[in-house]
Amino acid sequence: QVQLQESGPGLVKPSETLSLTCSVSGGSISNYYWSWIRQSAGKGLEWIGRIYATGITNYNPSLKSRVTMSVDTSKNQFSLKVNSVTAADTAIYYCARDHYRPGSHWFDPWGQGTLVTVSS
Amino acid sequence: QSVLTQPPSASGTPGQGVIISCSGSSLNIGSHSVNWYQHLPGTAPKVLMYSDNQRPSGVPDRFSGSKSGTSASLAISGLQSEDEADYYCAAWDDIMNGPVFGGGTKLTVL
Repeated sequence: QVQLQESGPGLVKPSETLSLTCSVSGGSISNYYWSWIRQSAGKGLEWIGRIYATGITNYNPSLKSRVTMSVDTSKNQFSLKVNSVTAADTAIYYCARDHYRPGSHWFDPWGQGTLVTVSS
Repeated sequence: QSVLTQPPSASGTPGQGVIISCSGSSLNIGSHSVNWYQHLPGTAPKVLMYSDNQRPSGVPDRFSGSKSGTSASLAISGLQSEDEADYYCAAWDDIMNGPVFGGGTKLTVL
């Protein structure tokens, strides 16, 4: 079955750029949307945005100015960049596959998540 | 705070039933299906229910979902110790043009 694995630095300095990659195994990245979701300590889940295999993106309006997503179909990977990070960006970052039907949307599967801490 | 509202905690004893509520608005739950995720910290969240009341294969029929208007519920019958986890509801939101989540409910099996 499809499995996702996040990777990237666990520590980023304030004002710098957070960069993560999600590797997809057990299936093709084509024909699906793929999302990034994060969870800050003691808080709920926040959708960051999504990317289609062709590169079409949708971002959370609250993060849109700082977020860039990209996809590499040859490597079956997609990536997330968040620039100008602050301590508020410290969170566990998850990647997930989107499922969509008219009137219905859900994530399955999810990666295990990777903790990113913003600190000098 | 989260767009969808859940109680922060719920509890029950083994064998009992519990219901977790999720409240939203006409822009999300009132217009779109609700999903529920089960999350054990340190592991990948898992979809428990999608399209309001559809269970993915492998999810026991002890779990059921329902929706009415701008609220939804997840019911768990015959509680087991392995059900102790965080539960999140989610739905597409027309303002976000993306999914929004509840704040999560921590279920304790006493």
